[in-house]
Amino acid sequence: ILNVEQSPQSLHVQEGDSTNFTCSFPSSNFYALHWYRWETAKSPEALFVMTLNGDEKKKGRISATLNTKEGYSYLYIKGSQPEDSATYLCAFITGTASKLTFGTGTRLQVTL
Amino acid sequence: NAGVTQTPKFRVLKTGQSMTLLCAQDMNHEYMYWYRQDPGMGLRLIHYSVGEGTTAKGEVPDGYNVSRLKKQNFLLGLESAAPSQTSVYFCASSPHNRGDEQFFGPGTRLTVL
Repeated sequence: ILNVEQSPQSLHVQEGDSTNFTCSFPSSNFYALHWYRWETAKSPEALFVMTLNGDEKKKGRISATLNTKEGYSYLYIKGSQPEDSATYLCAFITGTASKLTFGTGTRLQVTL
Repeated sequence: NAGVTQTPKFRVLKTGQSMTLLCAQDMNHEYMYWYRQDPGMGLRLIHYSVGEGTTAKGEVPDGYNVSRLKKQNFLLGLESAAPSQTSVYFCASSPHNRGDEQFFGPGTRLTVL
């Protein structure tokens, strides 16, 4: 069983704060790492798909980095806004698997 | 494009009843997935399909069956519902490659009494 671990489980920040979360995964036989954003009462939406060691991706104020050799990815949010409040999921797939394994997510709450 | 749709949105069953959840996608995606989401457990894969006519077991397949007779549809069946199957069920699809991003449906909230 492949374990994908995310930390912290939850985070509460003030508007304007920058924050980051960690996703840890097995470093062997890596294929791809996904980040999803999941707002309450909605369905998950993809933020990034990362495949190469050293990948850095950015979408607006959100960015992510990938280290496949040591098995971790960071998601950064710069200048958090209330609309960033959501659960952020990472998911991992190996070179021999047909499916993603999801972490349990980091729940972010941004208050004014 | 409607994307990924799920029918029904809500359902209440009694223990032992059966039902089928329908997932449909209009993006011509090859891969389709059924997940369940429970508090503190994240998304757990029930069954998946890598193409029309194929199905495979995920992490938690017991008590569920699936069929993918048409490329655009993926059906999840509960033959004899149990309270442990109370959950929110999400369907997802991805285009061509198993590493592609997944597009999720709006979810079905199922309660088994």
